[in-house]
Amino acid sequence: EIVLTQSPGILSLSPGERATLSCRASQSVSSNYLAWYEQKPGQAPRLLIYAASDRAAGIPDRFSGSGFGTHFTLTISRLEPEDFAVYFCQQYGTSPPTFGQGTKVEI
Amino acid sequence: QVHLVQSGAEVQKPGASVKVSCKASGYMFTSYDIIWVRQATGQGLEWMGRMNPHSGDTAYAQKFQGRVTMTRNTSISTAYMELSSLRSEDTAVYYCARCYTIYGVVCYYGIDVWGHGTTVTVSS
Repeated sequence: EIVLTQSPGILSLSPGERATLSCRASQSVSSNYLAWYEQKPGQAPRLLIYAASDRAAGIPDRFSGSGFGTHFTLTISRLEPEDFAVYFCQQYGTSPPTFGQGTKVEI
Repeated sequence: QVHLVQSGAEVQKPGASVKVSCKASGYMFTSYDIIWVRQATGQGLEWMGRMNPHSGDTAYAQKFQGRVTMTRNTSISTAYMELSSLRSEDTAVYYCARCYTIYGVVCYYGIDVWGHGTTVTVSS
């Protein structure tokens, strides 16, 4: 199965700053079928990005995804207070779908 | 509005089984796969498998083969996940979610709707 490694484990930033999160795959992600999710304490994950760069419905444009092959990036252009959470990447191009271990964005 | 409502928290003993339900509303239940993902406290997300509610076809992660069974009752738009031979390592929050499989790609548009999660605790 494809192993996804996210970095950094913890990202300490302030509101208004730019956040750049990395997700590296152990092998190429088929057709860039990679998604990003946000999870806040006690809540289910929320879909942000699918197919590496397509924003899900209702997601603000400060969230953007990029990358291809084995290296993908989630960028939050200007952090809002509600963006402090854990972010997971997921590949779904090769069975079984797998998730990264998460990056925590903290103040 | 689209919702997935899961059954309540469970406490089970090692060796027992647990069955979690997931009731869908606000969309055509048979048009989207139901998937199950679990998350141990403070840990990442783990894919357990998926079911096509229309056909009943399932695909389980190898780790759970032989211990997990995913079923559905289309008349009440409800999916079920049963995990047997429970051990302490199965203590986790179990999520159901929906996704759209097309062109042979599972969750082509990502996992767009999630249930609220069911806490399963395995303890003697």
